[in-house]
Amino acid sequence: GIQVEQSPPDLILQEGANSTLRCNFSDSVNNLQWFHQNPWGQLINLFYIPSGTKQNGRLSATTVATERYSLLYISSSQTTDSGVYFCAVNTGFQKLVFGTGTRLLVSP
Amino acid sequence: EAGVAQSPRYKIIEKRQSVAFWCNPISGHATLYWYQQILGQGPKLLIQFQNNGVVDDSQLPKDRFSAERLKGVDSTLKIQPAKLEDSAVYLCASSYKQGRLVNEQFFGPGTRLTVL
Repeated sequence: GIQVEQSPPDLILQEGANSTLRCNFSDSVNNLQWFHQNPWGQLINLFYIPSGTKQNGRLSATTVATERYSLLYISSSQTTDSGVYFCAVNTGFQKLVFGTGTRLLVSP
Repeated sequence: EAGVAQSPRYKIIEKRQSVAFWCNPISGHATLYWYQQILGQGPKLLIQFQNNGVVDDSQLPKDRFSAERLKGVDSTLKIQPAKLEDSAVYLCASSYKQGRLVNEQFFGPGTRLTVL
């Protein structure tokens, strides 16, 4: 089946710093979602982005489907950004396959 | 609009006992999913329903897990008997299906199961 790899696996930032998270996938996908899993375990939808670029406040995402990768940019990070970031891809029949995750810790 | 609802939020049982989880999807969402998330990993699909029919249950351990969505709205997932390795968070998600269009999935808060 499809493989979804994320990098880096762990990231520690000072508040106010910027970061880029990467998601690589091994096959063609129909769609891609980015999620933030907060410390209480809730998966929060960040972006639904099969291709192109989207922005939402301090966050933005770019997916280049032909090259099989997506990037999530976090600017001016805050302590509330801490948690695990997952990308997940649709491979048909709407099944989501999740990546390995990036664990982010933002310190004050 | 109300999100995906799940209950209970936490459950502790002993191995070989049975347990059931409940999920109510976002209103109007025909597709419902159950995922299992083991600590340190990403969620993995257990079963997917389209209305009240099963679309994909290839990863569901059918000797102990069962799920139903009788009226095409809310759903229950049952484990009987539970094993230690079933300790995980069980997440329910839903999406709106429009023809062949693949739509965004939204997740509930999850049920954290601990099997002792």
